Amino acid sequence: EAGVTQFPSHSVIEKGQTVTLRCDPISGHDNLYWYRRVMGKEIKFLLHFVKESKQDESGMPNNRFLAERTGGTYSTLKVQPAELEDSGVYFCASSQGGAETQYFGPGTRLLVL
Amino acid sequence: GENVEQHPSTLSVQEGDSAVIKCTYSDSASNYFPWYKQELGKRPQLIIDIRSNVGEKKDQRIAVTLNKTAKHFSLHITETQPEDSAVYFCAASRRGGNNRLAFGKGNQVVVIP
Repeated sequence: EAGVTQFPSHSVIEKGQTVTLRCDPISGHDNLYWYRRVMGKEIKFLLHFVKESKQDESGMPNNRFLAERTGGTYSTLKVQPAELEDSGVYFCASSQGGAETQYFGPGTRLLVL
Repeated sequence: GENVEQHPSTLSVQEGDSAVIKCTYSDSASNYFPWYKQELGKRPQLIIDIRSNVGEKKDQRIAVTLNKTAKHFSLHITETQPEDSAVYFCAASRRGGNNRLAFGKGNQVVVIP
């Protein structure tokens, strides 16, 4: 069974540009989570999808971040316009409906210059 | 929201010795406590988890203990090996709270051959 995949693995952009991150969860997993780790700090929750619906987006930093999960399969996280403080590692995780165990992707390392 | 503290931030042990990482949490409603291991350049991998109805769980050289009264839980690694070198993250979540994970800052464990 393929694990959670994320694309790209790395992204270097300039302040003010737009970046879109993609996450493909494990097939059949209804729950999809986005997390972020800023250097030296803890991994922090951003938002949670159940199928195509946003269940909880209380962790999204501001309205420069937009997440979608059309069709309830893969998800995208767009940052527009990117700021320096958006740099970090963005993780995606998925879990089966009702299950607690979350499986993580390898992360996307975003650097905003 | 939940706040998870993790200590120490770094830990060096001689191969064959034991390693212990401790975490505390703030939300008494948290009832699921996973531990993730992240090797350099790889994804966080779940290595063991414990639920609040259990005080201890063991899987080969790894064990986790939970003290609900004191709101802390610990990871114990016995007979450490070089491949145990990694960053270890503790986390907590509340069933019914969309299972969003609150993480500690991570602990860098270095096993010295």
